Amino acid sequence: AQSVTQLGSHVSVSEGALVLLRCNYSSSVPPYLFWYVQYPNQGLQLLLKYTTGATLVKGINGFEAEFKKSETSFHLTKPSAHMSDAAEYFCAVSRINNAGNMLTFGGGTRLMVKP
Amino acid sequence: EPEVTQTPSHQVTQMGQEVILRCVPISNHLYFYWYRQILGQKVEFLVSFYNNEISEKSEIFDDQFSVERPDGSNFTLKIRSTKLEDSAMYFCASSDGLAGTDTQYFGPGTRLTVL
Repeated sequence: AQSVTQLGSHVSVSEGALVLLRCNYSSSVPPYLFWYVQYPNQGLQLLLKYTTGATLVKGINGFEAEFKKSETSFHLTKPSAHMSDAAEYFCAVSRINNAGNMLTFGGGTRLMVKP
Repeated sequence: EPEVTQTPSHQVTQMGQEVILRCVPISNHLYFYWYRQILGQKVEFLVSFYNNEISEKSEIFDDQFSVERPDGSNFTLKIRSTKLEDSAMYFCASSDGLAGTDTQYFGPGTRLTVL
């Protein structure tokens, strides 16, 4: 069974500071990994995903994440936070085979950006 | 940009009543999903649907739940006899493939409150 753990349900940073949101996964096979963002009253929007190939993945809005197999991690970073980054962020893992496309989510991290 | 829409945004119902949550997936997508998020808990997979039948379902998706694509655009989730514990945010999603690498596009959710 797959699982995802996001350390820190709430993270607060100052505008311009580094954003680091942590995600660790558990999977018996190499996973496909996703980060989604949810702004208030909106759906989950894909930020980026890792499938195969380069382990550093760049996404929208200046975010990137690095897949580290040895650490079973897929942390999300952004060098400089902007007020508009305030939202809830979800890490998710998908199956490796094509039996279905069920996403398993972490608990989410609410990012707050202080002026 | 195409998006998944859901109606209503908020549904209040009495315990034991039937509810139907509606979704309009992205028009060229063939795979459809329902997830739910109980307040304070993780987003959980309920069911995936393709070619007018369920592809996969979780153990949450018991006999009180059903899904349907009644026409060429809508995708619905029916809860036959609601329970207090069905109170949650329900998300619809769609994708153009069923592989683990395919991105699921989420709607804004329907908040179901069972009294």
